[in-house]
Amino acid sequence: RKEVEQDPGPFNVPEGATVAFNCTYSNSASQSFFWYRQDCRKEPKLLMSVYSSGNEDGRFTAQLNRASQYISLLIRDSKLSDSATYLCAMRRGASGSARQLTFGSGTQLTVLP
Amino acid sequence: DGGITQSPKYLFRKEGQNVTLSCEQNLNHDAMYWYRQDPGQGLRLIYYSQIVNDFQKGDIAEGYSVSREKKESFPLTVTSAQKNPTAFYLCASSIAATSAEAFFGQGTRLTVV
Repeated sequence: RKEVEQDPGPFNVPEGATVAFNCTYSNSASQSFFWYRQDCRKEPKLLMSVYSSGNEDGRFTAQLNRASQYISLLIRDSKLSDSATYLCAMRRGASGSARQLTFGSGTQLTVLP
Repeated sequence: DGGITQSPKYLFRKEGQNVTLSCEQNLNHDAMYWYRQDPGQGLRLIYYSQIVNDFQKGDIAEGYSVSREKKESFPLTVTSAQKNPTAFYLCASSIAATSAEAFFGQGTRLTVV
């Protein structure tokens, strides 16, 4: 089983829709979680960190469910410019491997006019 | 401007040749990483380094080598032992903390012909 799993999509949604992605992880020692956005043929860029209490940044909401070992990203009022691949990432908390940052395979989102 | 720089952006090499990809950062980050991304795939960790003169293998280290002689630099050599070297290579760096996000360079597209 992969350490981090994401639904690859693609998700095709109309402009203005609400869309949610999940990312499950298998290592309970994972402590830090992130969502990255990657545009076609570009490098990933940090979208937001995911905090235990959940966090919101404008139209984007990230949540962490430690009991079920998944994180989620909710995008409200989708814009055409939200079209991209969304990657989840996480670090373990164990010493030695704490610096290793593991990524999911990404979920492709296309927002349609 | 502070950032992380990869060069070259595009690289073509003949099969059987070793090639070295450059990664330099002026962010004063302790940790640096190399990832490989294949079309439609997520990021797979090749090597990472937590401090100067120290590095660890990631999930797909076979056929690759790295060095970390300076804090700012983490070059990756793709050797002839790597069976499928054509890919998008991404270098990243972060501060040495479990909660730290990683910042990426713009990537190098390596094509082996």
